[in-house]
Amino acid sequence: TQLLEQSPQFLSIQEGENLTVYCNSSSVFSSLQWYRQEPGEGPVLLVTVVTGGEVKKLKRLTFQFGDARKDSSLHITAAQPGDTGLYLCAGDTGTASKLTFGTGTRLQVTL
Amino acid sequence: KAGVTQTPRYLIKTRGQQVTLSCSPISGHRSVSWYQQTPGQGLQFLFEYFSETQRNKGNFPGRFSGRQFSNSRSEMNVSTLELGDSALYLCASSLPLRLAGALNEQFFGPGTRLTVL
Repeated sequence: TQLLEQSPQFLSIQEGENLTVYCNSSSVFSSLQWYRQEPGEGPVLLVTVVTGGEVKKLKRLTFQFGDARKDSSLHITAAQPGDTGLYLCAGDTGTASKLTFGTGTRLQVTL
Repeated sequence: KAGVTQTPRYLIKTRGQQVTLSCSPISGHRSVSWYQQTPGQGLQFLFEYFSETQRNKGNFPGRFSGRQFSNSRSEMNVSTLELGDSALYLCASSLPLRLAGALNEQFFGPGTRLTVL
């Protein structure tokens, strides 16, 4: 069973601060996705990383895929209240056509 | 393009009853996956359907079942409900891998919040 551990589980910061969320596994993934979920809604895909060492930027969000494709990180610069939500990473082994989701990081950004 | 829709959004049932949840995928998406989300266990994969066939199944008891219709719409059924079945049930659709660049990107609906009393 592939497990994806995210850290931290909870994060409460003030507007303008920077933060990093980590997603770690002992398994190798062909790709890794990051989703954000707001209360009462389903997760929304933010980005997919495919190549080991890949870095993708989405405005203030920077995603990195580890060289060995076992881990990933999400860095948010100058967090805003609109960034509040549950962040989920999800790994795809490429064989079983199903995703393994991480344990989630709940982020709260206050004014 | 309309997103994934799920009905109903909220449902209250009592132990022992059964429930059917419905999901309409994004037009052109033929793969539909179902997930259960709870505070304690997070997001767990239930099953995936593609072209009316169950292609993958998670580690859930046989009380959880599903099906897919020829128009790609899907339903999941939970029989003999237990208190622990209270959860947010999420449906996600995706393009065939050959059209999605082999990326298994999921597009989620808003979920059905099931409460079992």
